[in-house]
Amino acid sequence: EVQLVESGGGLVQPGGSLRLSCAASGVTFSSFAMSWVRQAPGKGLEWVSIISRTGTDSYYADSGKGRFTISRDTSRNMLYLQMNSLRPEDTALYYCAKGRPNSGSTDAFDIWGQGTMVTVSS
Amino acid sequence: DIQVTQSPSTLSASVGDRVTITCRASQSVGTWLAWYQQKPGKAPKLLIYRASSLESGVPSRFSGSGSGTEFTLIISSLQPDDFATYYCQQSNIGDTWMFGQGTKVEIK
Repeated sequence: EVQLVESGGGLVQPGGSLRLSCAASGVTFSSFAMSWVRQAPGKGLEWVSIISRTGTDSYYADSGKGRFTISRDTSRNMLYLQMNSLRPEDTALYYCAKGRPNSGSTDAFDIWGQGTMVTVSS
Repeated sequence: DIQVTQSPSTLSASVGDRVTITCRASQSVGTWLAWYQQKPGKAPKLLIYRASSLESGVPSRFSGSGSGTEFTLIISSLQPDDFATYYCQQSNIGDTWMFGQGTKVEIK
């Protein structure tokens, strides 16, 4: 069974940093792109970032460009999101999600974790 | 950037109703569009990818259609388990994977 488990969320002051992690199991991790999606309390889904199978390519929503960095460690089946210069509007539940298919371009996210909560407040 | 707009924002329906949700993109996305279902306190669940392909395990009462800028998710006969919020997502256009704002399907 494919499982994604996020960790690393918490309370951080504005301007602070946080590193989120996502542990993948039950899947050949290097075969899929991986993504972060967030959801502010009571709001809709917002795509944050995606990284290619090999980790050589990454893309970001405008909201995180220059502040967030996505990375992956294939040897450990781990996905990361380094978030710097955090703002109150970054407060959200952060999900990691597995891209599909396992070849060609990613057309959807078929497996999701349960999320880790990030709260940016003084 | 591509904008993705869903309508309606909220929909009231009864069990057995045929439900239609529309998603419009600000520019053509071909068939690079997916649909998700999310229930309160749960992670989203993929329903449809590439505009019309049903994800494995998803009931056949769900169907997707469209291409270019206009897309539709149809639930042919609404079931009690289907009351949820639905999101469309354009994928891999301009290296973005943007979501629509969501459509909440409520009990009438």
